Amino acid sequence: AQTVTQSQPEMSVQEAETVTLSCTYDTSESDYYLFWYKQPPSRQMILVIRQEAYKQQNATENRFSVNFQKAAKSFSLKISDSQLGDAAMYFCAYLSNDYKLSFGAGTTVTVRA
Amino acid sequence: DVKVTQSSRYLVKRTGEKVFLECVQDMDHENMFWYRQDPGLGLRLIYFSYDVKMKEKGDIPEGYSVSREKKERFSLILESASTNQTSMYLCASSQIDSYGYTFGSGTRLTVV
Repeated sequence: AQTVTQSQPEMSVQEAETVTLSCTYDTSESDYYLFWYKQPPSRQMILVIRQEAYKQQNATENRFSVNFQKAAKSFSLKISDSQLGDAAMYFCAYLSNDYKLSFGAGTTVTVRA
Repeated sequence: DVKVTQSSRYLVKRTGEKVFLECVQDMDHENMFWYRQDPGLGLRLIYFSYDVKMKEKGDIPEGYSVSREKKERFSLILESASTNQTSMYLCASSQIDSYGYTFGSGTRLTVV
């Protein structure tokens, strides 16, 4: 399995502020895909954003954006204008060429009203 | 609305019991996966399947087996449940592409 590391077990953010979640990974593959998933208390895993490694441009989905640094093997998620509904556990994941997803340990995001 | 359905949301079993966790997807996906989720460890892959009657070991297969007799159904079997198998179990499916997985809502299994 590929190694995916999320070094922040918990992050707290004030409503309407910005928070950045860190993720690093280890791989010898040149072409791969990276994801951020959100898991709210309902336990349903929700895809937040997807990045293709061969694309230089950072992916963006509304208030969610990534900073993808391929050489550094870093893939951070920025949540802008945080909302109460953003409170959840966030997982960084790596999709290998055999279609297996490897996950980090997760970061719990708390949003303060 | 396409989905992955796990038969039980909560399950309590006794040590030594044989436990079946069922997963059904309605998206005609080729790939299916079983993960367990534990605090501080994220999701770890137990078993996966790329086709009917096909199965491959993931990273933590010990104590588990699987069955895939039909394309839409992927069952996880705990041959003799133990307390260290108390966990959240997540099933997922995907196409043979790069668009990620669709997940079920999980089964929280407690072995007493």
